[in-house]
Amino acid sequence: DQQVKQNSPSLSVQEGRISILNCDYTNSMFDYFLWYKKYPAEGPTFLISISSIKDKNEDGRFTVFLNKSAKHLSLHIVPSQPGDSAVYFCACGGGYNKLIFGAGTRLAVHP
Amino acid sequence: DGGITQSPKYLFRKEGQNVTLSCEQNLNHDAMYWYRQDPGQGLRLIYYSQIVNDFQKGDIAEGYSVSREKKESFPLTVTSAQKNPTAFYLCASSIGTGGQTRTEAFFGQGTRLTVV
Repeated sequence: DQQVKQNSPSLSVQEGRISILNCDYTNSMFDYFLWYKKYPAEGPTFLISISSIKDKNEDGRFTVFLNKSAKHLSLHIVPSQPGDSAVYFCACGGGYNKLIFGAGTRLAVHP
Repeated sequence: DGGITQSPKYLFRKEGQNVTLSCEQNLNHDAMYWYRQDPGQGLRLIYYSQIVNDFQKGDIAEGYSVSREKKESFPLTVTSAQKNPTAFYLCASSIGTGGQTRTEAFFGQGTRLTVV
């Protein structure tokens, strides 16, 4: 039973446009949400997070939106750059910092 | 430099052998985790530890064992009971215990284990 789902395995976006990556979760106990970026054969690197008391968090080109009633979060990257091409994982946490990850979305940003 | 180190980067194991993956952190983090990544899948939690001498099973603990004798170290043993051990293994650490702190987890560079 997947508690965290990223339903789009891949996304292709033109450079300069907006990339929107989506994530859905089922466990209402989750209260902390994170996005990670991962290159092949490397460990994920932290990108941005949001707690359940907020509905938006922005850091430069990256914005995370949280819709608690829908149990949905999204990551917006604008403008998208070729260096953003990677696999993006969403992760949900709640209680004792146990993080549950989604399956990832592979983003390709092309010229 | 503070960080989390996994070794070795590549590891080959014969069927039926146990093998131990190393994970060390000098970030003074209380919590440490082991994840496994398979192609096309997310990171699945194997074991996690919130404090020295204590650890809990994750979602796929069968065939694995861990120890947490020191704050800095959280080795993972892949035993012969693990039916499909070939995968990319990731270790992570984070601040905070008891659910009081919400912080990100920092990951090592991973160990790719191949059973031959």
